[in-house]
Amino acid sequence: GQQVMQIPQYQHVQEGEDFTTYCNSSTTLSNIQWYKQRPGGHPVFLIQLVKSGEVKKQKRLTFQFGEAKKNSSLHITATQTTDVGTYFCAGRNAGGTSYGKLTFGQGTILTVHP
Amino acid sequence: DTEVTQTPKHLVMGMTNKKSLKCEQHMGHRAMYWYKQKAKKPPELMFVYSYEKLSINESVPSRFSPECPNSSLLNLHLHALQPEDSALYLCASSQDPWGRGTEAFFGQGTRLTVV
Repeated sequence: GQQVMQIPQYQHVQEGEDFTTYCNSSTTLSNIQWYKQRPGGHPVFLIQLVKSGEVKKQKRLTFQFGEAKKNSSLHITATQTTDVGTYFCAGRNAGGTSYGKLTFGQGTILTVHP
Repeated sequence: DTEVTQTPKHLVMGMTNKKSLKCEQHMGHRAMYWYKQKAKKPPELMFVYSYEKLSINESVPSRFSPECPNSSLLNLHLHALQPEDSALYLCASSQDPWGRGTEAFFGQGTRLTVV
């Protein structure tokens, strides 16, 4: 079945440093979504990427979708303590028996030291 | 209203108990999901309902029984659970389940402890 690998598992940064997390899917995706889960909270949607090579920005966050629609990244510039949490990518199958199924990566737990 | 409401927020149950988790959304979404999440792990898909029909069952043990009474409600019936079933159970909904570009809205979850 589809697998979505995400690295790193943990990232500790000083406030002001940049942060990047990467996702790689074993199969071609129809789209990829990114979620943030604060400690003790639930996943909250950040963004969705649909097109090959797509790049989207939200303030200090930059999201990319690979040309082959199998990999993606999230980059945060100048982290702040409010960025603390777990960032998940989630890919939707492009076909097969699990068409439309959303598969989550393992997540990257981000800690920001003030 | 962009909320997915789950009840109860916390549940402690014995291994012989029967209980139900409830989920409600009023966004007109036609796909609803149950996920299970263990600490420091990603949400793990259990069931998908598309247009009120069960479309995906990720080989979940029969002690978990989903039900979708109507397009706004989703239940998860629990019976004879094991301690290892203790987890955060998340309900989610999305406008269109077939990958045509819709985000999933998650509820706050039910933190289940099986004793």
